[in-house]
Amino acid sequence: DTGVSQNPRHKITKRGQNVTFRCDPISEHNRLYWYRQTLGQGPEFLTYFQNEAQLEKSRLLSDRFSAERPKGSFSTLEIQRTEQGDSAMYLCASSLLENTIYFGEGSWLTVV
Amino acid sequence: QQQVKQSPQSLIVQKGGISIINCAYENTAFDYFPWYQQFPGKGPALLIAIRPDVSEKKEGRFTISFNKSAKQFSLHIMDSQPGDSATYFCAASSPGNTPLVFGKGTRLSVIA
Repeated sequence: DTGVSQNPRHKITKRGQNVTFRCDPISEHNRLYWYRQTLGQGPEFLTYFQNEAQLEKSRLLSDRFSAERPKGSFSTLEIQRTEQGDSAMYLCASSLLENTIYFGEGSWLTVV
Repeated sequence: QQQVKQSPQSLIVQKGGISIINCAYENTAFDYFPWYQQFPGKGPALLIAIRPDVSEKKEGRFTISFNKSAKQFSLHIMDSQPGDSATYFCAASSPGNTPLVFGKGTRLSVIA
C-alpha cells in the first residue's frame, strides 16, 4: 500500500503528558499537511511543509504543538503538556505541489 | 469566520433518489473546489473536484455544479445507494495549492 500512513492510530494519554504522531506521506509527495478534526466538524488546517520547510502555521497551532519534517520525508507532530481540549483526530495529508491532496486514516488522541 | 459554509448538516434520502449538498464561499481567490467523502473512523477521501473554468463536472453518479457569480457549488449524487451513507465535506483552496479550507460536513443517510 502506498497511501499516507499514520502512527499510532489511537493514543490515550493523561493530561499533561507529551504525545508524538508520525506521518509517512506518499512517496515523492513534496507537500505534507497536518489537520485536526473533532467530532461533527470538518478538518481544520494546522500546518504544512513543502519538502523540509514549514511554510505555514495556523493560529490553532499553540506553542505546545510542534511539527517537523526532517529531510523532507516523514513528519512528526508533537503535543506537549496535553489538555483535554486536544482530544481529536489528527490527520496527515500529502500532495505533489498543486495536485490532489490525499489524506491518511488519522491518529485519534484521547486525553483523560 | 467560516470561509466555506455547507448545508444541510444532515440529509436522509431514499435509495435511488438524488442527494444534493450545497456550499457557499466568500473568498473570490479560491480556484479549486473538491468534495471529500469520509466514513466513520477513516480519513477523508477525494470524491470529485472542479475549477472555476467550468460550470459542471460529472464523474459516474457524482456531479459538481459550480456558480461563480453566486459563489456557490453543490454536489449531486444520482441514484443514491446505502453505500453512499457517509459524511461529505466541501473544501476550497487558493492558487498554489494552499491548504484546503473545509466546510463543516453533511451526514448523508441513504435508506432502503
